[in-house]
Amino acid sequence: QKEVEQDPGPLSVPEGAIVSLNCTYSNSAFQYFMWYRQYSRKGPELLMYTYSSGNKEDGRFTAQVDKSSKYISLFIRDSQPSDSATYLCAAGRRALTFGSGTRLQVQP
Amino acid sequence: DGGITQSPKYLFRKEGQNVTLSCEQNLNHDAMYWYRQDPGQGLRLIYYSQIVNDFQKGDIAEGYSVSREKKESFPLTVTSAQKNPTAFYLCASSRQENQPQHFGDGTRLSIL
Repeated sequence: QKEVEQDPGPLSVPEGAIVSLNCTYSNSAFQYFMWYRQYSRKGPELLMYTYSSGNKEDGRFTAQVDKSSKYISLFIRDSQPSDSATYLCAAGRRALTFGSGTRLQVQP
Repeated sequence: DGGITQSPKYLFRKEGQNVTLSCEQNLNHDAMYWYRQDPGQGLRLIYYSQIVNDFQKGDIAEGYSVSREKKESFPLTVTSAQKNPTAFYLCASSRQENQPQHFGDGTRLSIL
């Protein structure tokens, strides 16, 4: 079993939809959690970073962490075609462990 | 303009050859990392360094070597012992080891 599991998708939604991306993790020692966006042939770009359980909002993006169930989510409101990318969740205590990524396609 | 620069963008390796991938950062970050990305497998950690002249193996260090002689630079050598080197290699840095990591745009390595 991988330490961080993520549904690979692809996930296709119409423009303006609310997108929910999810990961689970197995290591209860993980203390910090991140979401990255990766466009094709580019390096991952940091979207959200949190230490604690609860919600963290930044513009159209909300990251949610539930340490009791070892569940992390990213919500994207009012999705745009430019949001089409692969989204990577990551968790760690010292080094990061990444999920395999979910490919998102937002249709105009 | 602060950031992480990886070079070259594309690299080809012949059988039995060692190749070195460059990673330079001007963010004044202490920690640097190398990851390998294969299709459908996410990022896997090869090596990381928390400070100059010190580095630790990650999950898949076999067939790779690194050095950290300067804070700004963390080159990765893919040796001939790495039998399946074709992948997308990503370098990252962070202020400290449990801080957000920032990535370069990667080097794509292929076998000739």
